[in-house]
Amino acid sequence: KAGVTQTPRYLIKTRGQQVTLSCSPISGHRSVSWYQQTPGQGLQFLFEYFSETQRNKGNFPGRFSGRQFSNSRSEMNVSTLELGDSALYLCASSPGLALGEQFFGPGTRLTVL
Amino acid sequence: AQSVTQLDSQVPVFEEAPVELRCNYSSSVSVYLFWYVQYPNQGLQLLLKYLSGSTLVKGINGFEAEFNKSQTSFHLRKPSVHISDTAEYFCAVSGSGNTDKLIFGTGTRLQVFP
Repeated sequence: KAGVTQTPRYLIKTRGQQVTLSCSPISGHRSVSWYQQTPGQGLQFLFEYFSETQRNKGNFPGRFSGRQFSNSRSEMNVSTLELGDSALYLCASSPGLALGEQFFGPGTRLTVL
Repeated sequence: AQSVTQLDSQVPVFEEAPVELRCNYSSSVSVYLFWYVQYPNQGLQLLLKYLSGSTLVKGINGFEAEFNKSQTSFHLRKPSVHISDTAEYFCAVSGSGNTDKLIFGTGTRLQVFP
């Protein structure tokens, strides 16, 4: 089975721009979660989607949004980028059951200049 | 709500020595516990998990962890480390509910020296 894939792997943007990141989960997985990883804050949960519905949400401003498609692929969008948004964005998928185990993609490294 | 504390931000150790990475959690409900490893420029990989049953959990790459409910701990151990174990290790907790999310600790950087 193919693992979780994320595109693009690296991205450079400037302040004020917006960005869209993509995540393809493992085949058959219905839950996709997004995390932001920075040296200062560690791994922070952004949101989770299950069957196209946002099931859980972290404490991030409304500039961060996401969606999930019928094939379980997910996108996250960040509008009006700030320097502090520079981070590694990780996507994780799981079957959707209450077992907590998630399978992570390699991440997208976003740099905001 | 759950939270996780990894007491050591960095752990230096020589090759073939034993290592313990500490993790404490707090929760008012039943929890699931996990250890993930992150190698440079990669995503997270599951090392092991505790869902229920035996409190001693064995994982990949020779790692094991023990769930101690009275001390609310889930320390990760390996009797003999290799250079290739150099990585960032994350402890994580989740409630057992259907919508519970995974909460990560701040990570412990394991540096193995020859």
